[in-house]
Amino acid sequence: RKEVEQDPGPFNVPEGATVAFNCTYSNSASQSFFWYRQDCRKEPKLLMSVYSSGNEDGRFTAQLNRASQYISLLIRDSKLSDSATYLCVVNMIGSGYALNFGKGTSLLVTP
Amino acid sequence: DGGITQSPKYLFRKEGQNVTLSCEQNLNHDAMYWYRQDPGQGLRLIYYSQIVNDFQKGDIAEGYSVSREKKESFPLTVTSAQKNPTAFYLCASSTSSGTTLYNEQFFGPGTRLTVL
Repeated sequence: RKEVEQDPGPFNVPEGATVAFNCTYSNSASQSFFWYRQDCRKEPKLLMSVYSSGNEDGRFTAQLNRASQYISLLIRDSKLSDSATYLCVVNMIGSGYALNFGKGTSLLVTP
Repeated sequence: DGGITQSPKYLFRKEGQNVTLSCEQNLNHDAMYWYRQDPGQGLRLIYYSQIVNDFQKGDIAEGYSVSREKKESFPLTVTSAQKNPTAFYLCASSTSSGTTLYNEQFFGPGTRLTVL
């Protein structure tokens, strides 16, 4: 079983739509959670950290459910520039501060 | 500008050759990492280093070697023992402060290695 599993993509949505991505992680000892964004053929960049109480950054809202080992990302009012792959990321236990990455979910926002 | 640089951007290698990928950071980060990404796959950890002169194997270290002689530099050598070396290689760094679990990892632009 993979450590971090994400919704299979791709998600194709019109501009202005709301889209949600889900992710589950297998190790209940995990303590830090993130969403990274990766544009085509580029390096990943941190979108936002995910805190226990949930957190929001503009149009982006992240939620964490430790009991279900579930992480979500909600994007409201999608923009064309949101088109990218979104990676669910969880800290790797026993490997310093290394990270476990999901395979990513591809989002395409269309006009 | 602070950041991470990787070179070269594209690298072609013949089978049986060793090749070294460069990674340099001027963020004063203690921890550095190497990941590999294959098409449609997530990143997988090759090696990591939390401090100068120390490094640890990740999930897929076989066929790779690293060194950490300077804080700023963490080169990765892909040896001929690596059976499927064609991939996108990403170097990252982070602080390793014990005061927070949420240490953002900053990535370099990556090196695309192709074995001919």
